[in-house]
Amino acid sequence: EAGVVQSPRYKIIEKKQPVAFWCNPISGHNTLYWYLQNLGQGPELLIRYENEEAVDDSQLPKDRFSAERLKGVDSTLKIQPAELGDSAVYLCASSGSSYNEQFFGPGTRLTVL
Amino acid sequence: QQQVKQSPQSLIVQKGGIPIINCAYENTAFDYFPWYQQFPGKGPALLIAIRPDVSEKKEGRFTISFNKSAKQFSLHIMDSQPGDSATYFCAASMELGSARQLTFGSGTQLTVLP
Repeated sequence: EAGVVQSPRYKIIEKKQPVAFWCNPISGHNTLYWYLQNLGQGPELLIRYENEEAVDDSQLPKDRFSAERLKGVDSTLKIQPAELGDSAVYLCASSGSSYNEQFFGPGTRLTVL
Repeated sequence: QQQVKQSPQSLIVQKGGIPIINCAYENTAFDYFPWYQQFPGKGPALLIAIRPDVSEKKEGRFTISFNKSAKQFSLHIMDSQPGDSATYFCAASMELGSARQLTFGSGTQLTVLP
């Protein structure tokens, strides 16, 4: 069974540019998470989806970050415009429900110059 | 109150040693405590987890010790191997509304020397 797929794996952009990350969860998983992982830190939740509905986006900086999960499957996380402080690893995870184990993708490492 | 404090930040042991990683929490609403293992370039993967109604759980060479009154829990790795070199995160989970929320510690980078 394929795990959580994320792309791109690495992205280098200049500040003020837009960037988007894509996540394909494990088939059948209704719950999808986006986490931010700064260097030397644990993952921090940005947003959680139940199917196509964003049910917990309290930690998402909405002035520059946006996310969508069309048809309740794949998801995209966008930053516009990117700032130097956004350099981090962006992890996607999925689970059968929020009560089940979360499975993480390999992440996208973003570097903002 | 939703923080999980983890120590040490890094740990180096010889092969066969028993590294111990400690975590502490404040919020008594946490009721599930998983540990994750993360290799470079990979996402975290669930290693072992414990509920507060037991004081110890063992799976293979990995053991969680849990002290509910002290609100502390720790991971012990018996007979550590170079392949165990990774970053380990403790986490705590609680029910929030109609879902569960997971809070991670800051991680411990473990190096097992051959």
